[in-house]
Amino acid sequence: DAKTTQPPSMDCAEGRAANLPCNHSTISGNEYVYWYRQIHSQGPQYIIHGLKNNETNEMASLIITEDRKSSTLILPHATLRDTAVYYCIVRDAGGTSYGKLTFGQGTILTVHP
Amino acid sequence: DAGVIQSPRHEVTEMGQEVTLRCKPISGHNSLFWYRQTMMRGLELLIYFNNNVPIDDSGMPEDRFSAKMPNASFSTLKIQPSEPRDSAVYFCASSSGIGGELFFGEGSRLTVL
Repeated sequence: DAKTTQPPSMDCAEGRAANLPCNHSTISGNEYVYWYRQIHSQGPQYIIHGLKNNETNEMASLIITEDRKSSTLILPHATLRDTAVYYCIVRDAGGTSYGKLTFGQGTILTVHP
Repeated sequence: DAGVIQSPRHEVTEMGQEVTLRCKPISGHNSLFWYRQTMMRGLELLIYFNNNVPIDDSGMPEDRFSAKMPNASFSTLKIQPSEPRDSAVYFCASSSGIGGELFFGEGSRLTVL
């Protein structure tokens, strides 16, 4: 699986948009970009994923650059409950990997009042 | 749906004792993953199963660790004998299909004295 690079930490004011960047310059054509988050003492939670096009769901938006070498997760109106570690993962959704997830160090997002 | 259920939630044991962690995946899911999380190493994939068959156990640290999945609704991770360096939070996750989203349990926090 391709490697991802994320900033170790970020801050965001409550109510503002949180934009979390991720670099995945070695991504291959059959690999998806996934985002998970882990709130303290809980198991990781799925947020969103995409292949080429931008995606949006009730939690967040995912913007993937045209060359697919980087992406940005957007939490449009961050709340204190969004404070967590956010993991950007490149995942081969099939083949011999059986969809396993390989976690990096992630970005610690702190949302402050 | 009850989600992925892990037990025990907390386990404190002494070095040399056998530890068994249990996981009940979400009904209908056919892939199951065991992860370990420590401050030093982050989230590490230990082993994963597809249709109850172990696919890749290359992440299992050593022969003291073993995992089984006797049926589609139950898996165990066993450490025998346990050592203080095995202290960690162990997560189980399941997914539907090869590229499905992973759902994580709440984890089992193991402390080996």
